[in-house]
Amino acid sequence: AQKVTQAQTEISVVEKEDVTLDCVYETRDTTYYLFWYKQPPSGELVFLIRRNSFDEQNEISGRYSWNFQKSTSSFNFTITASQVVDSAVYFCALRTLQKLVFGQGTRLTINP
Amino acid sequence: DGGITQSPKYLFRKEGQNVTLSCEQNLNHDAMYWYRQDPGQGLRLIYYSQIVNDFQKGDIAEGYSVSREKKESFPLTVTSAQKNPTAFYLCASEGRAWTGELFFGEGSRLTVL
Repeated sequence: AQKVTQAQTEISVVEKEDVTLDCVYETRDTTYYLFWYKQPPSGELVFLIRRNSFDEQNEISGRYSWNFQKSTSSFNFTITASQVVDSAVYFCALRTLQKLVFGQGTRLTINP
Repeated sequence: DGGITQSPKYLFRKEGQNVTLSCEQNLNHDAMYWYRQDPGQGLRLIYYSQIVNDFQKGDIAEGYSVSREKKESFPLTVTSAQKNPTAFYLCASEGRAWTGELFFGEGSRLTVL
């Protein structure tokens, strides 16, 4: 069975702090994709990143970075120097041949 | 602009009524999905369609129905059989098969009075 766990339901930090959102996944498939999506207050989910199971290289995009570790089945997302505009619900997702499964989401609030 | 258009954005319904949520895409995507989102929960798959005139049940299909007569359109009907229909509904399309890179609409919030 496929499962994604985002243990942090809500996180609140002060602007300019760094924050890491955790994502742990379960699958028996050897080939899969991992994703992060952002859901701002408007409601529309926005794709942030995709990683395939054969590529454990970490990625940095501006203030965003992602740490993929197969050994711990984790795909964590870090925002450096957070800003108020980063406030949103963030979803981690796992795609296998069978299905696409989302985690429960982490509500991130950045306070000025 | 290319994208996913959902309507209406807000909808109120009396118990016992069916209601249809519209989802249109102009991205030329084959696959389309309907998800339900409840507070504090992730997205749960209701129905999906990989190709015109074909669709499959997701994890929570009971009380819902869909059609896929055109590539661009994937309407969702919430029937009176759905026991707890108040929720936020999201439609999405997938560009390349099995990529998981979904494009979402802005959602429809259904409230049953």
